[in-house]
Amino acid sequence: RKEVEQDPGPFNVPEGATVAFNCTYSNSASQSFFWYRQDCRKEPKLLMSVYSSGNEDGRFTAQLNRASQYISLLIRDSKLSDSATYLCVVNHPNDMRFGAGTRLTVKP
Amino acid sequence: DAGVIQSPRHEVTEMGQEVTLRCKPISGHNSLFWYRQTMMRGLELLIYFNNNVPIDDSGMPEDRFSAKMPNASFSTLKIQPSEPRDSAVYFCASSAETANSPLHFGNGTRLTVT
Repeated sequence: RKEVEQDPGPFNVPEGATVAFNCTYSNSASQSFFWYRQDCRKEPKLLMSVYSSGNEDGRFTAQLNRASQYISLLIRDSKLSDSATYLCVVNHPNDMRFGAGTRLTVKP
Repeated sequence: DAGVIQSPRHEVTEMGQEVTLRCKPISGHNSLFWYRQTMMRGLELLIYFNNNVPIDDSGMPEDRFSAKMPNASFSTLKIQPSEPRDSAVYFCASSAETANSPLHFGNGTRLTVT
């Protein structure tokens, strides 16, 4: 079993749609969690950290469920510019493990 | 502030040649990571350093791969001899030494071994 598993995707949604991604992790000792965004032929870039109480950044909401060992990312009112691959990241200190990524395409 | 700096951006080499990838982490960051990304396998952690010391190299594919961090501002990943299956994008990333610090990636080196 992979340490970090993500929804396989791809997700193809119309502009304005709400889309959610899930990610499960196997190491219960994991301490911090992140969502990254990667555009084609570019490096991954931090989208947002995921806090225990859940957190929101504009149209993006991240949640953590430690009991079930999963994190989620919700994108509301999706834009064409949201098209990218979204990677969940799980850290048990200084050992960052990435999910395989979920490809999102937002269409006009 | 400069981000993580990698060189070269692109490398094309022939099978059997030695390849050296370079990375300069963000100043003040104590942890450095080398990742490899391919379509088939996604983003794989190869090795990471903390305070210049290799902590976990279990992701290094085989003895052909080696990594060093002689000081806090420089690291290398070497492949000798290179093989076509090593073709991938190699990313270096750094983070501050706190449990909740995110990674900051360099632009990557796109390696093609023919």
